[in-house]
Amino acid sequence: KQEVTQIPAALSVPEGENLVLNCSFTDSAIYNLQWFRQDPGKGLTSLLLIQSSQREQTSGRLNASLDKSSGRSTLYIAASQPGDSATYLCAVRRSRDDKIIFGKGTRLHILP
Amino acid sequence: DAGVTQSPTHLIKTRGQQVTLRCSPKSGHDTVSWYQQALGQGPQFIFQYYEEEERQRGNFPDRFSGHQFPNYSSELNVNALLLGDSALYLCASSTPTGRGNTIYFGEGSWLTVV
Repeated sequence: KQEVTQIPAALSVPEGENLVLNCSFTDSAIYNLQWFRQDPGKGLTSLLLIQSSQREQTSGRLNASLDKSSGRSTLYIAASQPGDSATYLCAVRRSRDDKIIFGKGTRLHILP
Repeated sequence: DAGVTQSPTHLIKTRGQQVTLRCSPKSGHDTVSWYQQALGQGPQFIFQYYEEEERQRGNFPDRFSGHQFPNYSSELNVNALLLGDSALYLCASSTPTGRGNTIYFGEGSWLTVV
């Protein structure tokens, strides 16, 4: 059974700090891993998609890495801003049945 | 280019009633998946539709059913509503042949059962 775990569950940091969000998954047979952002009461916005053959992806201040063999991914946010405050979810797309499994998310609060 | 659109955005129903939620996929996408997200939890997969048929199903009872139309839009129906069905219902669209491609989500439909 594929499980996705995100640590920490919640995080508060001062503005300007660099931070790392962690995601681990138990089954390494995946097509890809995707990081999403969710604002309160809203849907999911895709941030980064990493294919199973890739090691990392970058978009602006965001960098996501993938170590499939160890079942880990990290989302690095550089120079955090109050507007980064949201819940960040990671999801893996499982190879054997093409299902997408989500973690419970990390609630991030950037203090101005 | 419109993304994934869902309706209604919010609704309140009484226990025992039935509800229908609607989703239009992103242009060029032919696969629609539905997810339930309870407060403080990650989205849970309900089912996926492709070519007007249910292709996969998560661990949800038969009270949850769906439909996909020839224009790829989809409906989620929930019968005999329970208080525990209160959640954000998310629709996602994708292409089946592009398993490496990004999946796009709508803004969701907030369902409150009282």
